[in-house]
Amino acid sequence: GQQVMQIPQYQHVQEGEDFTTYCNSSTTLSNIQWYKQRPGGHPVFLIQLVKSGEVKKQKRLTFQFGEAKKNSSLHITATQTTDVGTYFCAGGGAGGFKTIFGAGTRLFVKA
Amino acid sequence: GAVVSQHPSRVICKSGTSVKIECRSLDFQATTMFWYRQFPKQSLMLMATSNEGSKATYEQGVEKDKFLINHASLTLSTLTVTSAHPEDSSFYICSAREQEVSDTQYFGPGTRLTVL
Repeated sequence: GQQVMQIPQYQHVQEGEDFTTYCNSSTTLSNIQWYKQRPGGHPVFLIQLVKSGEVKKQKRLTFQFGEAKKNSSLHITATQTTDVGTYFCAGGGAGGFKTIFGAGTRLFVKA
Repeated sequence: GAVVSQHPSRVICKSGTSVKIECRSLDFQATTMFWYRQFPKQSLMLMATSNEGSKATYEQGVEKDKFLINHASLTLSTLTVTSAHPEDSSFYICSAREQEVSDTQYFGPGTRLTVL
């Protein structure tokens, strides 16, 4: 069945360093979404990418969707302590509406 | 932005009792709602997909008789954990997708269930 792999599982960075999390699907996706979950909180929608090769930016966050629509990445430039949390990707299956979540990447930022 | 509420936020119950959790989309109509279970420091495990006016679709390994889902309206879905046991203790999160708009899911704040 469809699987969405996300790496790394954990990432420790010093404040000011960059951070990237990667998502790979075993099948072609219709779209990919990214969510952030703060410790003790619930997932919050960040963005959705739909087009092949799409790149979107939100301030220090850059989201990419691969040309084959099977992989995606989230890059944070110059991390801040407020970036702490777990980042999940979620892939929407082509032709259907079932969304599969990656395992998440937990980001720790040291001041 | 779209808001999803979930009630209660925390519940503690005795083993053998049933617990109902409500999920409401406050400012949009949700044809589809999802119920997830999340263990500490782990990802979201989809339990079931709830469509308004029809039976829920359960994921493999999820007991439909134990986790009863009702999606009575476009703004409300309920999850009832029947005959709860300590192993059912977990964080249950619902999400809602806006009607025919996109695949974006808006999550409720979650319900922490503790079964004694």
